[in-house]
Amino acid sequence: AQRVTQPEKLLSVFKGAPVELKCNYSYSGSPELFWYVQYSRQRLQLLLRHISRESIKGFTADLNKGETSFHLKKPFAQEEDSAMYYCALHSNFGNEKLTFGTGTRLTIIP
Amino acid sequence: GAGVSQSPRYKVAKRGQDVALRCDPISGHVSLFWYQQALGQGPEFLTYFQNEAQLDKSGLPSDRFFAERPEGSVSTLKIQRTQQEDSAVYLCASSLGGSHTEAFFGQGTRLTVV
Repeated sequence: AQRVTQPEKLLSVFKGAPVELKCNYSYSGSPELFWYVQYSRQRLQLLLRHISRESIKGFTADLNKGETSFHLKKPFAQEEDSAMYYCALHSNFGNEKLTFGTGTRLTIIP
Repeated sequence: GAGVSQSPRYKVAKRGQDVALRCDPISGHVSLFWYQQALGQGPEFLTYFQNEAQLDKSGLPSDRFFAERPEGSVSTLKIQRTQQEDSAVYLCASSLGGSHTEAFFGQGTRLTVV
């Protein structure tokens, strides 16, 4: 069975400090990993996916298959980064569903 | 509209009542998903449609839950004889289909069973 673990429910970081949101997964095959974000009063939206290897809003995430991790990082936090962040896994066996972690609420302290 | 639309936004049901939640996906999106999000949890998969075909309903928690998408566009999630544990936000998402495609989410329907 596939599972996604986000060990931190809450994370507070000062503005300008580095941010790291942790995500670990368990999956026997070769997964596709995503980070979704939900800003206050907005819908869940895709932030980035590992397959595109891009940086969005200064965030990056590297898939580490050895450690089965997909941590989200940003070198300098901004106040507008305050939101709920969900790590999600998509299997590559024809089932298109996403398996989500429980989420981390990130608060940037001015 | 430009995005996935869900209605109603909020629903209060008395225990035992039947409810129907509607999802209008983005036009042309082949895949449609329903997720249930309990308080303090991440979204959990309920069911998946490809056009009008329900390809996966493994996440439906009981036979009180039923989903349909008869014409391959609008979808309805029906919950019969609601119970308190059904209280959650129900999210609908749609995508063009296939792997590597982005799922677009609606704003959700918050169901409260009293």
